[in-house]
Amino acid sequence: GAVVSQHPSWVICKSGTSVKIECRSLDFQATTMFWYRQFPKQSLMLMATSNEGSKATYEQGVEKDKFLINHASLTLSTLTVTSAHPEDSSFYICSASGDPRRPNSEQFFGPGTRLTVL
Amino acid sequence: SQELEQSPQSLIVQEGKNLTINCTSSKTLYGLYWYKQKYGEGLIFLMMLQKGGEEKSHEKITAKLDEKKQQSSLHITASQPSHAGIYLCGADIGGAQKLVFGQGTRLTINP
Repeated sequence: GAVVSQHPSWVICKSGTSVKIECRSLDFQATTMFWYRQFPKQSLMLMATSNEGSKATYEQGVEKDKFLINHASLTLSTLTVTSAHPEDSSFYICSASGDPRRPNSEQFFGPGTRLTVL
Repeated sequence: SQELEQSPQSLIVQEGKNLTINCTSSKTLYGLYWYKQKYGEGLIFLMMLQKGGEEKSHEKITAKLDEKKQQSSLHITASQPSHAGIYLCGADIGGAQKLVFGQGTRLTINP
């Protein structure tokens, strides 16, 4: 299957700082990327859908001004957690989907980024 | 409310035994995905089911989607320690490729 990478794999930051997480599709062009959040021992919750060249669509309850998503190219999407607070500490996972002509096309997941806010 | 219900939430089986994990939705599913996750790591794609009645197998793992496309099961035959982990079902409920996930099933294999 296709490969999706995330960087960094883990990050520790002070409260109030901003953190950027990158999601890259390494061997295919991802027209759509998804950002998920997973709290300990819980399932993945979709945060937003990111389409290349357009604004991200956020799920209900997710603050778009706090979680800035940029999908500037077909291989890169970034999630910036602005003014991070301890409650933002979580495991953030992205996924990428390649072919919009194929409904329900397979999503390839990145390895995740563990964010810890002190 | 949880749109996808997985059962059981945790499962401990003896190595070599068979096991089944279920995933149920109240809505018709456009696509049903099974993933495996080790705690704190990314998801490993196992299988995707789209058609009612579809069944797929890979090595010792078989996944089925019922005719109504509302329930799926994941069956592992002759379990091995390498099967241990968290199994997640994900489904495209709205047809927009956005996945909702079940709560996960934590599988432990005892030697």
